[in-house]
Amino acid sequence: DSGVTQTPKHLITATGQRVTLRCSPRSGDLSVYWYQQSLDQGLQFLIQYYNGEERAKGNILERFSAQQFPDLHSELNLSSLELGDSALYFCASSVGGQGSYGYTFGSGTRLTVV
Amino acid sequence: TQLLEQSPQFLSIQEGENLTVYCNSSSVFSSLQWYRQEPGEGPVLLVTVVTGGEVKKLKRLTFQFGDARKDSSLHITAAQPGDTGLYLCAGVRSGRGADGLTFGKGTHLIIQP
Repeated sequence: DSGVTQTPKHLITATGQRVTLRCSPRSGDLSVYWYQQSLDQGLQFLIQYYNGEERAKGNILERFSAQQFPDLHSELNLSSLELGDSALYFCASSVGGQGSYGYTFGSGTRLTVV
Repeated sequence: TQLLEQSPQFLSIQEGENLTVYCNSSSVFSSLQWYRQEPGEGPVLLVTVVTGGEVKKLKRLTFQFGDARKDSSLHITAAQPGDTGLYLCAGVRSGRGADGLTFGKGTHLIIQP
């Protein structure tokens, strides 16, 4: 158990739908990062939150949004889902804002859009 | 173009053999990390290197950061089936600390008994 909790573990939904992925960071970590992993693209950085504020944005689509709550858990919202959004979505956390000394990853949410 | 290029993409060897995998870039990194990922799980941090030329050892694994901080290598001695997995390198680019870690696509390593 890494200390980073992601729910749900698996999600199957139809095109056009909206889903919410949830992440609780490791105790004491202030930063939360969201990544998308697909076979052809590898791990792609989506967005980072640090202590409730958006810190950095990567290749996140406009249909996707995220937030970090006062208790530091984070949610990633994916809307108007397309077949190509099927992927593994990982949340990671770190103590500081740069993650220079490593991230702790959760076990991921496998999203299948049908 | 991938910022971090890992090679080889796939490697299958027999138990007991030695191997080296590489992580290369044209960019300078303030730190570079190696992770191992097993199917159905998230990546797990193995090591972080921050100084050019730095060498770190973790049991049978030896990690090296290039002098110019643009590349790294992972050498495994006497590989075992438990070493099987996807090995990912990731870095924080110098002056770009707020961009999140950039990952390579990884090396899929299979150690056959």
